[in-house]
Amino acid sequence: NAGVIQTPRHKVTGKGQEATLWCEPISGHSAVFWYRQTIVQGLEFLTYFRNQAPIDDSGMPKERFSAQMPNQSHSTLKIQSTQPQDSAVYLCASSLDRLGGRVSYEQYFGPGTRLTVL
Amino acid sequence: AQKVTQTQTSISVMEKTTVTMDCVYETQDSSYFLFWYKQTASGEIVFLIRQDSYKKENATVGHYSLNFQKPKSSIGLIITATQIEDSAVYFCAMREHYNVLYFGSGTKLTVEP
Repeated sequence: NAGVIQTPRHKVTGKGQEATLWCEPISGHSAVFWYRQTIVQGLEFLTYFRNQAPIDDSGMPKERFSAQMPNQSHSTLKIQSTQPQDSAVYLCASSLDRLGGRVSYEQYFGPGTRLTVL
Repeated sequence: AQKVTQTQTSISVMEKTTVTMDCVYETQDSSYFLFWYKQTASGEIVFLIRQDSYKKENATVGHYSLNFQKPKSSIGLIITATQIEDSAVYFCAMREHYNVLYFGSGTKLTVEP
């Protein structure tokens, strides 16, 4: 049973270049989340999809960052015109999902993509 | 304001002893969910244990257990019979009405032989 898959594991870009990060959630999981981890800010929520629909992108920087989930088997996080402050580990997580109620499901994390912007 | 606070930056214990890691949280929701995750040296984040706010019994999984004190908005993680491989960074997290997780800053645990 494969866990969450993220590619690439490491990416180095020059300032101003574009970076696209890929995530394949666990099969059967309907919720996909993106987080960013830095030493200074810790683990920060970026955005969340349920059944491929964007639900909450309140953590996404308003400029340059975008996320999509074109099908149930993958999601992408795109950063345009990367800046050195975008350097971080970007983590994707997936979980089962259910609207409201006394139900919550654990999120399972991928290994992350370490983005370095020179 | 931080929703989840872990004040212990690092803890060092001897192997086979018991360790408790603290976590306090803030929420206005009457129903919420609390989780502990472990991040290994390789960077892997692993789910350990959860506590649903409406449950009075403290959760236990293997050698992990929780000390849930709802009036104090506190959810401590207890690891008994610690092993070298328990050395990692431990994160407390909370989910309110959405599925978004709010994480604490983490506690680095070192288990010495």
